[in-house]
Amino acid sequence: GESVGLHLPTLSVQEGDNSIINCAYSNSASDYFIWYKQESGKGPQFIIDIRSNMDKRQGQRVTVLLNKTVKHLSLQIAATQPGDSAVYFCAENKALDSSYKLIFGSGTRLLVRP
Amino acid sequence: SQTIHQWPATLVQPVGSPLSLECTVEGTSNPNLYWYRQAAGRGLQLLFYSVGIGQISSEVPQNLSASRPQDRQFILSSKKLLLSDSGFYLCAWSGQGTYNEQFFGPGTRLTVL
Repeated sequence: GESVGLHLPTLSVQEGDNSIINCAYSNSASDYFIWYKQESGKGPQFIIDIRSNMDKRQGQRVTVLLNKTVKHLSLQIAATQPGDSAVYFCAENKALDSSYKLIFGSGTRLLVRP
Repeated sequence: SQTIHQWPATLVQPVGSPLSLECTVEGTSNPNLYWYRQAAGRGLQLLFYSVGIGQISSEVPQNLSASRPQDRQFILSSKKLLLSDSGFYLCAWSGQGTYNEQFFGPGTRLTVL
């Protein structure tokens, strides 16, 4: 079946260090992936996306890496800050009849230690 | 710029009571609209999506229904709430097409007692 999962439920990092959040997906036909950040009690916030014709994409302090061979996705956050503390979800884009849906993983909680 | 609104922010309802959650989008036309539910500590489950007025597709069988009476209005309803309907309900919109990220509203926390 299809699934998008995360290796670690909780990641604790020191402020200023780099964070790496991993995600595995099972549908080799997936061609679009998104990372979201969700703070407590709020809706998910778009961070960065990547299409399957790319291996890497960079944003401001964030980088997403896609390894299609092993069906693995990662989010790297440089110089992690307290404001980065949140739950991070990877999502896989699956086509519907006339739209598409996002299949979400269970999420990784990122805790930033001061 | 586009904004998405949901209300109410929190809701406590007794079992068997009706439900109506509203979502509206501003600053865009003909968006795709989505309703998700999120259980505590879990990911998001797609409940309904809509590609146009009056067009509703259901992803999972459940005690809920959705309607889209206007282009930028999406409503989630129930005639009789169950305890299992408790959760965090999120509305989202996206542009038409495949490679469009979805933008989420602030959510409604529903507790059924």
